[in-house]
Amino acid sequence: KNEVEQSPQNLTAQEGEFITINCSYSVGISALHWLQQHPGGGIVSLFMLSSGKKKHGRLIATINIQEKHSSLHITASHPRDSAVYICAVYTGTASKLTFGTGTRLQVTL
Amino acid sequence: DVKVTQSSRYLVKRTGEKVFLECVQDMDHENMFWYRQDPGLGLRLIYFSYDVKMKEKGDIPEGYSVSREKKERFSLILESASTNQTSMYLCASRRFGDEQYFGPGTRLTVT
Repeated sequence: KNEVEQSPQNLTAQEGEFITINCSYSVGISALHWLQQHPGGGIVSLFMLSSGKKKHGRLIATINIQEKHSSLHITASHPRDSAVYICAVYTGTASKLTFGTGTRLQVTL
Repeated sequence: DVKVTQSSRYLVKRTGEKVFLECVQDMDHENMFWYRQDPGLGLRLIYFSYDVKMKEKGDIPEGYSVSREKKERFSLILESASTNQTSMYLCASRRFGDEQYFGPGTRLTVT
């Protein structure tokens, strides 16, 4: 079993829909990253959080440390949001990330 | 803005060649990383460095070595490239406690 599990693996939504991507982890963490990768593109960090909630534009990330769970929400989705979204965690004092396998999101008109 | 650059976006090499992938960051970050990304396997850590001349093996170091002679530069070396090293290679850097910043990636094909 992977230490970081994401769901769903694939997601198709219509423009304007509210989207939720979930991440569960089984280890103690110091922080969690949400990353975005467009097709053929590099990886961009969306959020790093260790508690509570962060918001940037139409993106919201939440984390529940007790339940070992994080969610990434996209409000009013748009075709340009189509990408792979990756959850990754920092464990212990190391700077190494452990990655989930990603959620492929396709937003259609 | 943090900038992480990689020497090539695309690279084609022959089996047995020695391959150098270069990564440079401009924000004085202590930590630098090399990953490879393969379909169905996600991102996997090859090596990382937490300071100049310091390195640690990641999850899949076999067939690779690294060099960090200056703080801003972290090189990945394939001593004798093989076809199973065909992959997307991503470099990243980080100041401890801060988020990780990724380079654009190098798509390496070994024929």
